Amino acid sequence: AQSVTQLGSHVSVSEGALVLLRCNYSSSVPPYLFWYVQYPNQGLQLLLKYTSAATLVKGINGFEAEFKKSETSFHLTKPSAHMSDAAEYFCAVSGSGNTGKLIFGQGTTLQVKP
Amino acid sequence: DARVTQTPRHKVTEMGQEVTMRCQPILGHNTVFWYRQTMMQGLELLAYFRNRAPLDDSGMPKDRFSAEMPDATLATLKIQPSEPRDSAVYFCASGPRLAALTDTQYFGPGTRLTVL
Repeated sequence: AQSVTQLGSHVSVSEGALVLLRCNYSSSVPPYLFWYVQYPNQGLQLLLKYTSAATLVKGINGFEAEFKKSETSFHLTKPSAHMSDAAEYFCAVSGSGNTGKLIFGQGTTLQVKP
Repeated sequence: DARVTQTPRHKVTEMGQEVTMRCQPILGHNTVFWYRQTMMQGLELLAYFRNRAPLDDSGMPKDRFSAEMPDATLATLKIQPSEPRDSAVYFCASGPRLAALTDTQYFGPGTRLTVL
């Protein structure tokens, strides 16, 4: 069965600092992995996704993530945090059975301090 | 700019009342998902549909929740009777293809339900 674990429910960084949000996955089949972001009082929107084309995936708003099979990880990074990055971030893995179903992690709240 | 729409955005009701939440998926999308988000449980998948047929509703309390797609442009989630523990934000999401592993899900803005 597929699952994801996000390490750290809250991460706090200073504006301009590196953002690193951690995600580890478990999957019995080659995984397809996603990062979604949720701004306050809004629905989730896709940041980026890994579809096996390239291990380093670039997304919107300067975010990127690297798929590391040996570490079963898909950590999200951004070189320089901006105040507008404050949000909740969800890592997800495709469920089995080709249904389009996603298995979400518990989420990580990113706080950006001025 | 195609978007998933949900109505109502906010709903306050009393325990025991019926609640109906509606979702209009993006035109042409044939997979629809219902999620519930709470502080304690996070994001939970309640049910999902493909081509209007329910594929899995194992995440829903069957005695009080029901989900349907009367047509391709409307999905509904009903709670009858509602209870305070149902207070949450309910999200609808739609997907563009026939069950692809790499599909992006497009989320609506959610319905914030408060049951008193």
